[in-house]
Parts: sequence; structure tokens; C-alpha cells
Amino acid sequence: SQQGEEDPQALSIQEGENATMNCSYKTSINNLQWYRQNSGRGLVHLILIRSNEREKHSGRLRVTLDTSKKSSSLLITASRAADTASYFCATDRSGSARQLTFGSGTQLTVLP
Amino acid sequence: ETGVTQSPTHLIKTRGQQVTLRCSSQSGHNTVSWYQQALGQGPQFIFQYYREEENGRGNFPPRFSGLQFPNYSSELNVNALELDDSALYLCASSSGVGELFFGEGSRLTVL
Repeated sequence: SQQGEEDPQALSIQEGENATMNCSYKTSINNLQWYRQNSGRGLVHLILIRSNEREKHSGRLRVTLDTSKKSSSLLITASRAADTASYFCATDRSGSARQLTFGSGTQLTVLP
Repeated sequence: ETGVTQSPTHLIKTRGQQVTLRCSSQSGHNTVSWYQQALGQGPQFIFQYYREEENGRGNFPPRFSGLQFPNYSSELNVNALELDDSALYLCASSSGVGELFFGEGSRLTVL
């Protein structure tokens, strides 16, 4: 079963706009990660945020984590057509020996 | 490129058959995990191996089994294939902390 749920399921924006995706999860976590997947390909790690962190930046990516609400958001600024992909959040639950539980993903389409 | 390679990339089997998928981990990684990703869904954890021992298992039946070899490469075996086993099977390696490095996956179709 999926631990997390991403919202929205699909998002379509124009190049240059910002894209925001949200993730909710159910259990206590050690950390939360975001991954990107181009159609039918493997997943690529984007960013990891630990449970004691509230915000993290990496290039055009900004991730926030609210453990009280069990939610996270991924912001991609100044989007490009090449950002078109599916984005997944994944949680590393406390005591789970490094098993990631993925959400169902947000399909982002950036129109040129 | 992550350095994790999987084979085969695509394969077609019929119901009841058995399949073996292979994964070569990134150099220096001693932990390998396998995930099943159905179309339109997020990956689901099958199991993880650390230094040749199973180190965690998801909600998959015993007909899903695995091996990790001394060089940390790995196999996923699925017996008595069912139609619902059709999916992308992803292998991921790690050094135990932080991010996972995924291969490109093996696309299994069961007819």
C-alpha cells in the first residue's frame, strides 16, 4: 500500500512558471525524499530532508517538511520543458531498515 | 547515470512461468532493494538485501524471492507468474544511508 499521497495527481504549467507539488504521509519518519521519473525510466533522487529539518534548497528546488501535519511540498522554480516528468515523495519510516514507501506521484507537464 | 544496471530491459512471459531479473549495484554499495511499479503507480517495496542477507520485506508473497551475491549484485526471482505481476521492476542500491540509486528497470509483461 502507498504510504504517501501526492497532490495534485497531474499538473500542467507554462515554461518559466513555478510548480508546487504536495505530499502527505501517515507514519513517523526518519526522512523524506523526492524522486523524479521520466516516462518508463528509473527514478532519480532529487533531494532529502530529515525529520528535524523544515526547509531545504537545491538549485531550483525547495522542499518543506511539516512533521506535525505529516506533509511536505516540492517547489520547482522557473520550470523548463525538461522538468516534464513524474515526481514522487518517499518516506523512510522510523525503524524500517531503509525501506522507502513511495506516494502515487504527480505528473508534471511543462509546456514550452 | 547511476551505475546501477538491470537486465533484461524488457521481457514477456506467460502465466505460470518463472522469471529471473538481474541487477548490478553501484560500486561501493552493499545494500540492494527491489521495487515493483505498476503502471501509473508509485514503486512498492519488495525486499532489501544487505551483505547477502534479506534485511526487510514488503507485502509480497513467498513466490517473490531474491539473492545477493558477494560482489553485491542481486537477482529477483518470481515463480508462478500471474497477470498482475506485469510491472516495471526497479533495483536500487545504496551504501545504507541517504538516497537510493535506481537502475532503469526491467519491464515484465505477463500474458
